[in-house]
Amino acid sequence: NAGVTQTPKFRVLKTGQSMTLLCAQDMNHEYMYWYRQDPGMGLRLIHYSVGEGTTAKGEVPDGYNVSRLKKQNFLLGLESAAPSQTSVYFCASSYWPRGNTGELFFGEGSRLTVL
Amino acid sequence: AQKVTQAQTEISVVEKEDVTLDCVYETRDTTYYLFWYKQPPSGELVFLIRRNSFDEQNEISGRYSWNFQKSTSSFNFTITASQVVDSAVYFCALLPDNTNAGKSTFGDGTTLTVKP
Repeated sequence: NAGVTQTPKFRVLKTGQSMTLLCAQDMNHEYMYWYRQDPGMGLRLIHYSVGEGTTAKGEVPDGYNVSRLKKQNFLLGLESAAPSQTSVYFCASSYWPRGNTGELFFGEGSRLTVL
Repeated sequence: AQKVTQAQTEISVVEKEDVTLDCVYETRDTTYYLFWYKQPPSGELVFLIRRNSFDEQNEISGRYSWNFQKSTSSFNFTITASQVVDSAVYFCALLPDNTNAGKSTFGDGTTLTVKP
């Protein structure tokens, strides 16, 4: 019962490098999200997807791109990493809007450091 | 626009003390959902409870209880007889019931430290 799985768990990048974070969920959820967590700032939504083939911007989308080619996968890409993108990234999925539940199921997080 | 405020940045208590975590929210939506999530030192985020805006019945679950008051836009969380394992960051979140793609707004979190 994997739930939401993120890879990699840790990564160190140099400024300007690119990378992709992979999120996979096995709960058949339509909705998926990428959040970043910074000290004292809670969780901020980067991008989200309401279904396969769809993506949309969240609160802090600049410097990130996403893709949802398969329903179970949601990829977060950094084309040219910057130190300001040092953060912990969380992927989440939700049963929303079915069942009016709305709680998020989170992955374990990916700690990214940009030097 | 939605906003969630957790005014308490850090709380420190001694084991067995009761502690209340405050959450105040702002929304123009008439129907919405409120959540509490827990993030222990291991880092994962765990859902604790959901409350619908049309259900102001307070809930008790073991040592946990939640007080939802729509009149004051508050959704407070109380831990009775706290334990060291309760040490974590607790997040309050708001989800409007509209076509906003299920986007939750989170507070900045309250770090609870329970000392033995």
